[in-house]
Amino acid sequence: ETGVTQTPRHLVMGMTNKKSLKCEQHLGHNAMYWYKQSAKKPLELMFVYNFKEQTENNSVPSRFSPECPNSSHLFLHLHTLQPEDSALYLCASSPISGTRDTQYFGPGTRLTVL
Amino acid sequence: AQKVTQAQTEISVVEKEDVTLDCVYETRDTTYYLFWYKQPPSGELVFLIRRNSFDEQNEISGRYSWNFQKSTSSFNFTITASQVVDSAVYFCALSEAPPQGGSEKLVFGKGTKLTVNP
Repeated sequence: ETGVTQTPRHLVMGMTNKKSLKCEQHLGHNAMYWYKQSAKKPLELMFVYNFKEQTENNSVPSRFSPECPNSSHLFLHLHTLQPEDSALYLCASSPISGTRDTQYFGPGTRLTVL
Repeated sequence: AQKVTQAQTEISVVEKEDVTLDCVYETRDTTYYLFWYKQPPSGELVFLIRRNSFDEQNEISGRYSWNFQKSTSSFNFTITASQVVDSAVYFCALSEAPPQGGSEKLVFGKGTKLTVNP
């Protein structure tokens, strides 16, 4: 595998379900990001991790819970979501956060909340 | 506050036409970076270019070229001799200096959907 991978690519869940999104980067980067892309809205930054430490939480509701066990893996745990949370969730990585290096994105997980 | 405006929501051209995608940004920072990304239907954002605010030279990469005009706060993207495979949504983004110890924020425009018809 190369670049940034995300699984699953598609996810349908009910409002009471608990699920997790997974992101893995094979670029040797130390910063990882979660973004949300809703229809007709710009990409919104959700969370930033730098060397496994969370450095940014962009006022994201607690029903989204990120986890970064190491610099290569990033998870987004989901529970009791709302239909308005349906969106494309994109993961990205960069060499180090705070240096404004290029962020490289994965293919995204298309989430539908029923 | 920072803002990126891509005024063209959708553009449709015929193959082999040249097309320019506009990007206008607002920032109070003197040091900043500008990016263009391509998002094909598969969803992945593909990095195209990164340009810092001190480098106003235009860039050309194959059929792609970028025109950075600091005086008008614009960073426009031109595709020459467009092809069907260029059909995608294109995003312009701006990154300013992060707060001390903080993370930079990449602020995206709303994107321009380009359709290249055969």
